Amino acid sequence: DQQVKQNSPSLSVQEGRISILNCDYTNSMFDYFLWYKKYPAEGPTFLISISSIKDKNEDGRFTVFLNKSAKHLSLHIVPSQPGDSAVYFCAGGGADGLTFGKGTHLIIQP
Amino acid sequence: EPEVTQTPSHQVTQMGQEVILRCVPISNHLYFYWYRQILGQKVEFLVSFYNNEISEKSEIFDDQFSVERPDGSNFTLKIRSTKLEDSAMYFCASSERFLVGVGANVLTFGAGSRLTVL
Repeated sequence: DQQVKQNSPSLSVQEGRISILNCDYTNSMFDYFLWYKKYPAEGPTFLISISSIKDKNEDGRFTVFLNKSAKHLSLHIVPSQPGDSAVYFCAGGGADGLTFGKGTHLIIQP
Repeated sequence: EPEVTQTPSHQVTQMGQEVILRCVPISNHLYFYWYRQILGQKVEFLVSFYNNEISEKSEIFDDQFSVERPDGSNFTLKIRSTKLEDSAMYFCASSERFLVGVGANVLTFGAGSRLTVL
């Protein structure tokens, strides 16, 4: 039962362009959503979050958009930098804790 | 910056053997978690721990698994009799408060312990 789906296992974006990572969910009970970033041989690190009552949250180059009616959220990174190359996990959070997606490997090309 | 540390970084074991994975959470955090990620699959919740007892556990966390906080700093995950399908990266995490609401209640993860069961 995949409550959180990241359908793109990988995404390649040119440096300086916008990266858009997508996430779909099925559990309407999630209170908030988070994005984590993971480099090889490291644990996931928190990137940005959004409450289920908001539709946008921005932090520097990172913006998360939430479309509750479509049960869809996306992470925008602009401009993309080489250090952004990593695996990005979307997670839904609620009373039962966090449910993660499988992740999307973002590759920033020079 | 405070961090969660995990040992060992990689353990290879024979099927049926007991394994203990160790974690040192951030010192002022009160909630502790274990997650795992089988290669190519999503990060899955195993268990959360607070006030010296399990607060939540998933279906994965069956009788073969146990957690303990043997002293004031370590948080361990024990797999009593490992199976091939236990091969995964195991992540420990901690948080100041339980995961309700946005913002400060984010998890801080360790770098993970890779378990390979042969």
